[in-house]
Amino acid sequence: TQLLEQSPQFLSIQEGENLTVYCNSSSVFSSLQWYRQEPGEGPVLLVTVVTGGEVKKLKRLTFQFGDARKDSSLHITAAQPGDTGLYLCAGAKNFGNEKLTFGTGTRLTIIP
Amino acid sequence: EADIYQTPRYLVIGTGKKITLECSQTMGHDKMYWYQQDPGMELHLIHYSYGVNSTEKGDLSSESTVSRIRTEHFPLTLESARPSHTSQYLCASSERYGRVFQETQYFGPGTRLLVL
Repeated sequence: TQLLEQSPQFLSIQEGENLTVYCNSSSVFSSLQWYRQEPGEGPVLLVTVVTGGEVKKLKRLTFQFGDARKDSSLHITAAQPGDTGLYLCAGAKNFGNEKLTFGTGTRLTIIP
Repeated sequence: EADIYQTPRYLVIGTGKKITLECSQTMGHDKMYWYQQDPGMELHLIHYSYGVNSTEKGDLSSESTVSRIRTEHFPLTLESARPSHTSQYLCASSERYGRVFQETQYFGPGTRLLVL
């Protein structure tokens, strides 16, 4: 099993601040995804990155896949209370392997 | 919008009881998954299926069993519940799209199980 470590585990910041969440592994992944999970619900896919060095933007969220495809980051600009939730990265080991390995999670709280 | 349903949403049950957690999806997805998640923690894959009559154990050992008799239905059964089974159980289904492999997993809302 390839372990995906996320940091920080918990993050609580004021509305309007910027933040970055990291997802690191010693293994190479063919693709990496970020999900957000709200209390009482299942995770919802935010983005998929497949190319080393790839950067994708989703409104105030910027996702980057590391050049070596072992790590990823999620940057949120001007955080809002609606960004509160559990952020999970998930990697697929190789193309055609549909099983995902989920990261350890980052619980983000945005204080109004 | 994903159409994947789980029942019950919450279940409190005594030790030794047999329980079945239901999961259904109306998207026609071949692939379905069961994950176990402790509150605010990572997801651990316990079972998956790539189609009817296909089931495999996941990365985390589990005493539960699953069946896949119909494409849309993937129930999980615990023959004798124990307090150690207390957790949240999430069902998901997936589709593959695009020229390059990219999978989207759609999750149900989960079942929170408490075994007393």
